[in-house]
Order: sequence, then C-alpha cells, then structure tokens
Amino acid sequence: AQSVAQPEDQVNVAEGNPLTVKCTYSVSGNPYLFWYVQYPNRGLQFLLKYITGDNLVKGSYGFEAEFNKSQTSFHLKKPSALVSDSALYFCAVRDPNSGYALNFGKGTSLLVTP
Amino acid sequence: EAGVAQSPRYKIIEKRQSVAFWCNPISGHATLYWYQQILGQGPKLLIQFQNNGVVDDSQLPKDRFSAERLKGVDSTLKIQPAKLEDSAVYLCASSLVVGGDGEQYFGPGTRLTVT
Repeated sequence: AQSVAQPEDQVNVAEGNPLTVKCTYSVSGNPYLFWYVQYPNRGLQFLLKYITGDNLVKGSYGFEAEFNKSQTSFHLKKPSALVSDSALYFCAVRDPNSGYALNFGKGTSLLVTP
Repeated sequence: EAGVAQSPRYKIIEKRQSVAFWCNPISGHATLYWYQQILGQGPKLLIQFQNNGVVDDSQLPKDRFSAERLKGVDSTLKIQPAKLEDSAVYLCASSLVVGGDGEQYFGPGTRLTVT
C-alpha cells in the first residue's frame, strides 16, 4: 500500500527563519506526492505536487519541496517563514490501487513565532 | 470559479440518531471524494465516485454509512445510526479526472459531534 509518514507532530520556527516540514514515503512504482495546508475551520488547500521531472518543486505561497528518491523523502521547505504560515500541513501520496485517492500523513502543526 | 460547497458546517447529534451531509463539487468535476478526518489524524478516504458510479468504497462502514451521487453532480453522505466514534470532520473533495496528476479541491468540511 502507498503511504506517507510525517515524523514530527509540531515544528516551531521564528519568523524570517527557514522552515522544513518532513515527509517520507513508501510506495511501489512511481510516487505521486502532494502537500496540502489546513487553516483552522477551513478545508485543505493544495500547495504543490511532484509527479515527475525536476526534484525541486515550487508551489503556492513561496513553498517548495524536494523529492529525494534515495531517501524516499519529500520535505516541504520555505526560505523565510511568516507568522501567517502557521497551520497544519499534510503530506499525501496518490494510491493507484485505491482509485487514485489520496493517502494522507497524520499532519504536522507548524507554529511560526514573531 | 466557485469551490466545493458543503452543508451543514456543524452538526451535533446524539448517538443512534441519523445525520446527512451534502456536497456540491466544482462544476464539471467528474470525480468526487468523501474523507473522514478524526481529530489529530489525516483525512481518510471513505468513498470515491466517478460521475455517479462508485470507484472505491472499501473503507466505508457500510453497516451504518451510505452515500450516493445522483445525476453525477451533488452527493450526500448519511450515517445511521451514529456512534460516538463517528465524531469527526467530513470532507468532500472533487477533481476533474480520475488518476493522473489531477489536483483534488476540498470543501470546508462538516464538523460532526456525536454525544
């Protein structure tokens, strides 16, 4: 089965500092990997995806993610964090064995302090 | 472009009662998903429709949950009877196509509390 793991429940970073939210995956075949963000009382919003091509993927709100096949990782990054980036972040993998639905990690809460 | 609409936003019921949620996907999106998100966890797929046919309902507790998508547009998810462990946020999502690299667009969710 296709799955992702987010090893950190919470990440704390000071505003202006770089941030990294970790995700590792376990898939058979080529992975389709996604990052979503969830703000309080709102639905999930798409940030970026990796399907094929360049290992560095750029997405919304200045976020980017690096696909690393040898380490089976897809970490989310941003060079300079904003307080408004504070939210819940989910890594997900598309499962072709389940109608291409998304299998989500448990989420990582990002807190950016002023 | 209007997003995925869901109603109600919040619902509180007692155990053993029934409840229904409604979803209107983005216009033209053939694929519709219902996810259950329990507090502290990532969303888990309950059922996926392609137009008005079911693609995957392997994780839907069919003894109490049912879903339909008449005419391949709106969808309803029903729970009857509800249990305490059904307390969660129910998310509806839609995408233009099945598979490939198509993004899924999520609605705001319905927060269900079963007492």
